Amino acid sequence: DSGVTQTPKHLITATGQRVTLRCSPRSGDLSVYWYQQSLDQGLQFLIHYYNGEERAKGNILERFSAQQFPDLHSELNLSSLELGDSALYFCASSARDRTYNEQFFGPGTRLTVL
Amino acid sequence: GNSVTQMEGPVTLSEEAFLTINCTYTATGYPSLFWYVQYPGEGLQLLLKATKADDKGSNKGFEATYRKETTSFHLEKGSVQVSDSAVYFCALTGTASKLTFGTGTRLQVTL
Repeated sequence: DSGVTQTPKHLITATGQRVTLRCSPRSGDLSVYWYQQSLDQGLQFLIHYYNGEERAKGNILERFSAQQFPDLHSELNLSSLELGDSALYFCASSARDRTYNEQFFGPGTRLTVL
Repeated sequence: GNSVTQMEGPVTLSEEAFLTINCTYTATGYPSLFWYVQYPGEGLQLLLKATKADDKGSNKGFEATYRKETTSFHLEKGSVQVSDSAVYFCALTGTASKLTFGTGTRLQVTL
């Protein structure tokens, strides 16, 4: 158990809908990262928050947004969903935002868009 | 930009065989290098890391050495077990702390 929790574990929805994925980092960790894992794209970085502030954006679509709240949990919002958004979404946390910091991964949310 | 190249899988080995999974990278500056493992139905777990040239990361019998001259970070284990069957990802962080992953290598160990 990494100490990072993600809810829900599975999500099945229809095209055009909006969903929210939730992540609670390990106790004391200030950084939260979101990654998408799909068969065709592999593991791709989406976005990084540090202590409530956005630090870096990767291959994140404009239909996607995220935030980190004062209690340090994070939410990833996916809207106008398309079939191609079906994937595993991982959240990871680390103590700080140093390049050598280990990132601890949650179990993931599997999103299926029908 | 940064990139990681891993050998294609799947790799199928008999128990107690020697394992090598090749990983090479392209990055500016001085990246930190990581191996993560993903067991079926689970998230990623850090297996080992190295943060500077010539560092050797090791854990659970797995080893990898940061070779700057060959831009490589190959994963090795002297004697694999059935329980090592999983997908292994090589990854790096460059000037930012986000991870850039390779495509993953599936390892299957048989009795």
